[in-house]
Amino acid sequence: SAVISQKPSRDICQRGTSLTIQCQVDSQVTMMFWYRQQPGQSLTLIATANQGSEATYESGFVIDKFPISRPNLTFSTLTVSNMSPEDSSIYLCSVSGGRAQYFGPGTRLTVL
Amino acid sequence: KQEVTQIPAALSVPEGENLVLNCSFTDSAIYNLQWFRQDPGKGLTSLLLIQSSQREQTSGRLNASLDKSSGRSTLYIAASQPGDSATYLCAVWDTDKLIFGTGTRLQVFP
Repeated sequence: SAVISQKPSRDICQRGTSLTIQCQVDSQVTMMFWYRQQPGQSLTLIATANQGSEATYESGFVIDKFPISRPNLTFSTLTVSNMSPEDSSIYLCSVSGGRAQYFGPGTRLTVL
Repeated sequence: KQEVTQIPAALSVPEGENLVLNCSFTDSAIYNLQWFRQDPGKGLTSLLLIQSSQREQTSGRLNASLDKSSGRSTLYIAASQPGDSATYLCAVWDTDKLIFGTGTRLQVFP
């Protein structure tokens, strides 16, 4: 299994600002995934990030709003840009390993 | 388009009961199915992974079954404890991504 850490664990931000969330994995992985969990909802995939290439975004998510970096095989960042209260969610980083999926502890974001 | 549904949405039971949580999916062509636990405000903990060729997996008091032909999985929790209180999510690996169910919020009271 993979051990995943995220920073920050939580944050309260003002409308119109941006927040960058970091995800660190304890082993090298090809694909990293970013999910959003809105209050009371299940998880929705935002994008898949491969090292050395641009992220692949799911329907309803765009790079201008959620830019992703993947500089190496153990690290990725997700930025939530020009935030609004509707972006208040838990953001989770995930990796695949041995056919199972593993998740970080999440970043709880509140936008005022 | 794959859709994953979980029933019931919420469940409250006394300690010691045996429980069954249900998960159904619309497209049987899945790669595998995974059950997770999520504590309030926290990330996900993987409980059990069932590959498409398998029928069930067991870990301690947990047993998960998979019937691909009917598009169903069940998570059986034996002798429930207050520490089992959490939201339980099932997810199917569909082609190239994991699709999550709606979750079952479980409360086990002493």
